[in-house]
Amino acid sequence: AQKVTQAQTEISVVEKEDVTLDCVYETRDTTYYLFWYKQPPSGELVFLIRRNSFDEQNEISGRYSWNFQKSTSSFNFTITASQVVDSAVYFCALRNPYTGTASKLTFGTGTRLQVTL
Amino acid sequence: DAEITQSPRHKITETGRQVTLACHQTWNHNNMFWYRQDLGHGLRLIHYSYGVQDTNKGEVSDGYSVSRSNTEDLPLTLESAASSQTSVYFCASSSRGSGEQFFGPGTRLTVL
Repeated sequence: AQKVTQAQTEISVVEKEDVTLDCVYETRDTTYYLFWYKQPPSGELVFLIRRNSFDEQNEISGRYSWNFQKSTSSFNFTITASQVVDSAVYFCALRNPYTGTASKLTFGTGTRLQVTL
Repeated sequence: DAEITQSPRHKITETGRQVTLACHQTWNHNNMFWYRQDLGHGLRLIHYSYGVQDTNKGEVSDGYSVSRSNTEDLPLTLESAASSQTSVYFCASSSRGSGEQFFGPGTRLTVL
């Protein structure tokens, strides 16, 4: 069975602080994909990143960075110099590669990030 | 531009009524999914489809049904709405292979 755990329910930071959102996953598969989605107060789900299990390189996109560590089954997300616009709920998700009937996403319960001035 | 739409965006209904939520995508994706989002549970999969005439149950499928008669649409039906089905419903689609899922804007359903 697959499972994604986001232990941090809510995080509150002051603008310009760095913040890390944790994601720990469980899967028996050696090939899988990990995702992060953002859900701003407007409610839509916005895709942020996809990472496959064979690529452990960290990724940076502007103020966003992701740290993938297979040894600890973690895929953490860091926002550097946070801004009020980063306030949202962030979801981590896990997916097996498409093998006919296995492309479903398993979501964590989300972390609500509140960035204040 | 390709997109995925849901209608209605908001719906209030009464217990016992049948309700259908529409999902339409123009990505030409084979895979389509319905999720519900509830506080403390994240997104949970209700039903999914990998192509026309294909439908499968997700982890919370009781009380819901779907049908896939074409590539673009996957309507979700609540046969007899219950208060426990008050939630925000998201439709998503993806291509075969490793494609990420694209989500619709969501439908907020209230069952009184």
